[in-house]
Amino acid sequence: GESVGLHLPTLSVQEGDNSIINCAYSNSASDYFIWYKQESGKGPQFIIDIRSNMDKRQGQRVTVLLNKTVKHLSLQIAATQPGDSAVYFCAENISGTYKYIFGTGTRLKVLA
Amino acid sequence: DVKVTQSSRYLVKRTGEKVFLECVQDMDHENMFWYRQDPGLGLRLIYFSYDVKMKEKGDIPEGYSVSREKKERFSLILESASTNQTSMYLCASFRGVGYEQYFGPGTRLTVT
Repeated sequence: GESVGLHLPTLSVQEGDNSIINCAYSNSASDYFIWYKQESGKGPQFIIDIRSNMDKRQGQRVTVLLNKTVKHLSLQIAATQPGDSAVYFCAENISGTYKYIFGTGTRLKVLA
Repeated sequence: DVKVTQSSRYLVKRTGEKVFLECVQDMDHENMFWYRQDPGLGLRLIYFSYDVKMKEKGDIPEGYSVSREKKERFSLILESASTNQTSMYLCASFRGVGYEQYFGPGTRLTVT
């Protein structure tokens, strides 16, 4: 399949370990944030979201943390599995607009 | 499940050809987007449509046009394809501001 990004930062983790992927967002007027997973040759898939009135949100094996002070978002994946190998990118929605700003992504490689 | 489908996964066209990329969503969303995705650049918005026959230019509309004749269908048109339009094209739809976008599988367009 096609590679989403040939020069992306890569995070390599051992299967079973936890993964942390970071994102610095750009606009202080953004109030809604999303993490997407994109496997090779496929479209982005929604993982988890968080609104600006929250600092943390948990899903199944995933947690998103939001630090508005430093405009930082992180995605934590617990007990990383081979199927988690993909490119992950964040998106921010500027409040009250249809404008979404997407990060360039981080490639997660899970080592067996 | 939300489904966003795109007419082609892979397309090869010659310079100067007129190219149509079709996108269909089945969730009755009013809002639809066309993005292109290039390595290291993230997703860039080409056009956005918030209702039938309504459209707004995104960040990179030059060389593209769109058509939204029915709510479920949003078409991207390259009037005269050029090699710098070789890219991955992603269609998305969403319910509204503050909600996640659902993406199609993408069309990998190569212009030779």
